[in-house]
Amino acid sequence: GDSVTQMEGPVTLSEEAFLTINCTYTATGYPSLFWYVQYPGEGLQLLLKATKADDKGSNKGFEATYRKETTSFHLEKGSVQVSDSAVYFCALSQVNRDDKIIFGKGTRLHILP
Amino acid sequence: EPEVTQTPSHQVTQMGQEVILRCVPISNHLYFYWYRQILGQKVEFLVSFYNNEISEKSEIFDDQFSVERPDGSNFTLKIRSTKLEDSAMYFCASSEVLPEQFFGPGTRLTVL
Repeated sequence: GDSVTQMEGPVTLSEEAFLTINCTYTATGYPSLFWYVQYPGEGLQLLLKATKADDKGSNKGFEATYRKETTSFHLEKGSVQVSDSAVYFCALSQVNRDDKIIFGKGTRLHILP
Repeated sequence: EPEVTQTPSHQVTQMGQEVILRCVPISNHLYFYWYRQILGQKVEFLVSFYNNEISEKSEIFDDQFSVERPDGSNFTLKIRSTKLEDSAMYFCASSEVLPEQFFGPGTRLTVL
């Protein structure tokens, strides 16, 4: 079945460092891809999404590009802040099939001041 | 901005007891979901609900689980006889236009 694999954490970076969190997926057809973020003690928030190949999702300085040839959707940010410390989940959904969201295991990010 | 709300934020129950977790989806949304996250693990799909019926359920969603939309605004998840392994964070989500789903803050269920 469909699945999402993302890099293990925790990832610890200094403030203003460049961030990459790798995500690859296995799916038939053309899923929509997402990054969700979970801040400490809070629920899941949609960070960004891409619905077709070569789309770039972006929000709050984060970006991810839907790469069908490599089945990847890596999350990047040029300069992280302490407030970016959270758990990041890569996810996919197959619209018009079952539309449930399939999540990766999550990557915990710590940003040091 | 409209948001999904869930109550209670934390529920503690004894094994074998029934629990009902409540969600108020965003008002014009038509698709509703429950997910759960066991501590330290990935978020897992439980069930989707559309047009007053279950559209899909996972293997986790066995006969002990049920969902209901009793009054057109609430969306509930009932666990009939809780087990220790049901301890998790339960998230409700709703959607107006697929595939984007909006998640609530979660209910932490602790089964003793």
